[in-house]
Amino acid sequence: LAKTTQPPSMEAYEGQEVNVSCSHTNIATSEYIYWYRQVPHQGPQFIIQGYKDYVVNEVASLFISADRKLSTLSLPWVSLRDAAVYYCIVTDITGNTRKLIFGLGTTLQVQP
Amino acid sequence: GGIITQTPKFLIGQEGQKLTLKCQQNFNHDTMYWYRQDSGKGLRLIYYSITENDLQKGDLSEGYDASREKKSSFSLTVTSAQKNEMAVFLCASSMGVGNTLYFGEGSRLIVV
Repeated sequence: LAKTTQPPSMEAYEGQEVNVSCSHTNIATSEYIYWYRQVPHQGPQFIIQGYKDYVVNEVASLFISADRKLSTLSLPWVSLRDAAVYYCIVTDITGNTRKLIFGLGTTLQVQP
Repeated sequence: GGIITQTPKFLIGQEGQKLTLKCQQNFNHDTMYWYRQDSGKGLRLIYYSITENDLQKGDLSEGYDASREKKSSFSLTVTSAQKNEMAVFLCASSMGVGNTLYFGEGSRLIVV
């Protein structure tokens, strides 16, 4: 069963860069790594996805290790609005079934 | 852009009652999902549907039924509500399994 492991919580000050790590040792060869974030009273929202190496978009960047067992989400210049639960997600493939597996996530607290 | 609409936002019922949550999407996505989120925990997949009239069980399907009569809607029924399943239920859709998920804001189930 593909699963992810993240630190349960992190703290940062406004303006800092935050790096959230995720271990996915059983990731299937064909599958991507996805990151979502969830603020209170809302559903999770997609941030970024990647397969290997380095991906960047207007919100975040994602580094994936060469063996694809570890990824790191990088949030530059965090603000109070970035306080949320961050989920690293991979697809579990069992037989003919494919499912996205959400772990417990990392709760990011941002101090002014 | 599109939107996922979940109704009702709050669903209050009595123990043993059959309760139904509804979800509509206008993304024209093929795949829809129901997740359950308990307080302070990650998301667990209840049911998903790859296309109209298709149903696939997730990890938490016991005690629930689902129905996908048309592409744009996916409903979830709690067959006999119990107090230990008070949680937030999140609906999502995607172009296909493994593609980016778009979530609704959630429906909170309260059992009295």
